[in-house]
Amino acid sequence: AQSVTQLGSHVSVSEGALVLLRCNYSSSVPPYLFWYVQYPNQGLQLLLKYTSAATLVKGINGFEAEFKKSETSFHLTKPSAHMSDAAEYFCAGSNQAGTALIFGKGTTLSVSS
Amino acid sequence: DAGVTQSPTHLIKTRGQHVTLRCSPISGHKSVSWYQQVLGQGPQFIFQYYEKEERGRGNFPDRFSARQFPNYSSELNVNALLLGDSALYLCASTPRTGEGEQYFGPGTRLTVT
Repeated sequence: AQSVTQLGSHVSVSEGALVLLRCNYSSSVPPYLFWYVQYPNQGLQLLLKYTSAATLVKGINGFEAEFKKSETSFHLTKPSAHMSDAAEYFCAGSNQAGTALIFGKGTTLSVSS
Repeated sequence: DAGVTQSPTHLIKTRGQHVTLRCSPISGHKSVSWYQQVLGQGPQFIFQYYEKEERGRGNFPDRFSARQFPNYSSELNVNALLLGDSALYLCASTPRTGEGEQYFGPGTRLTVT
């Protein structure tokens, strides 16, 4: 069965620093992987998705993620953090496009000036 | 185009009561999924509907039910509410099961007292 694990429930960075949010997946079939962001009292916004077309995926707001099959990882990065990046980030996966998503527990990103 | 819309935004109910939550998908999307997000956790899949038929069900008790209408909107019903049902209920839509990523609405915040 598919499972998604996010390492680190809380990550704190300074403005301008590198952002790295970790996600590992467990799947018996090639997965579809996603990163979503959630701002307080809002729904989820899709940042980027991996669908096997390319291992390095670029998303919105300067975020990108790299799919590494050997490490079963799909870590999210951004070269330079901005105050507006402070939010909750969720990694999610599914075995088929458009079907039920399995979410990680989320990582809260704090950005200090 | 309007995104996924949900109503109501907030709801307060008493234990044992029944609640109905509503969702309208993005225009042209025929599949709707429901998720429960308890505070501090990632969303958990409840149901997926496509063309008015249930296409997936998560690990939730029979107190939870849903349906999809001919215009592809959907209702989530929860009977005999428990304190533990307090959560943010998210609706997501995709063009069809097996295609596309899921786009989420803003959610309905349900508080059970």
